[in-house]
Amino acid sequence: IVLSQSPGTLSSSPGEGATLSCRASQAVTSNNLAWYQQKPGRAPRLLISGASSRATGIPDRFSGSGSGTDFTLTISRLAPEDFAVYYCLQYGSSPYTFGQGTKLEIK
Amino acid sequence: QVQLQESGPGLVKPSETLSLTCTVSGGSISDYSWHWVRQPPGKGLEWLGYVYSTGSTNYNPSLKSRVIMSVDRSNYQVSLKLTSLTAADTAVYYCVGATDDSHYWGQGTLVTVSS
Repeated sequence: IVLSQSPGTLSSSPGEGATLSCRASQAVTSNNLAWYQQKPGRAPRLLISGASSRATGIPDRFSGSGSGTDFTLTISRLAPEDFAVYYCLQYGSSPYTFGQGTKLEIK
Repeated sequence: QVQLQESGPGLVKPSETLSLTCTVSGGSISDYSWHWVRQPPGKGLEWLGYVYSTGSTNYNPSLKSRVIMSVDRSNYQVSLKLTSLTAADTAVYYCVGATDDSHYWGQGTLVTVSS
């Protein structure tokens, strides 16, 4: 399954909202779709699993939605620490695949 | 909370075999599936495969039979072997322990393939 993330780069300001998209080339089994945040030099951090379940310790300004082939990560009220690269991952079918990433940068 | 630490050679020659170890602490190795993910410098993430504590494996076909993953439960270690290395295998390699709703990542180890 090929995952296509859009936009490639998103410029926003702290306090604004952000919407990131992940589109799959075929339906993701059981909506097994995760979102990760990665900062430079760091390992990715799980934000969302099962398309919409926040991982432990993740602030409620992060929310995931979608099903089938279209998924969205929404960040309300961007905090300075939210500017990073975001990846989606489908783990419903083997081989698991990642999207190419969306870079969220400060405007 | 489970913690993972990857270890292995930072530099490997082309055509040689890479051996990486992931040491697990703070959790039972039987409670997770164990995955390897890599990231070439400046690029995106690639899933390499997983191994269960039972020894059952599932590899990414893109690796074309070059990969072997295993679990050593007595030593709380997970291993990755990748053969016939080329420059395209240069990457940060991550070990990941996963349950249904949690994914724990090691800090990653950079492997450079160069003569």
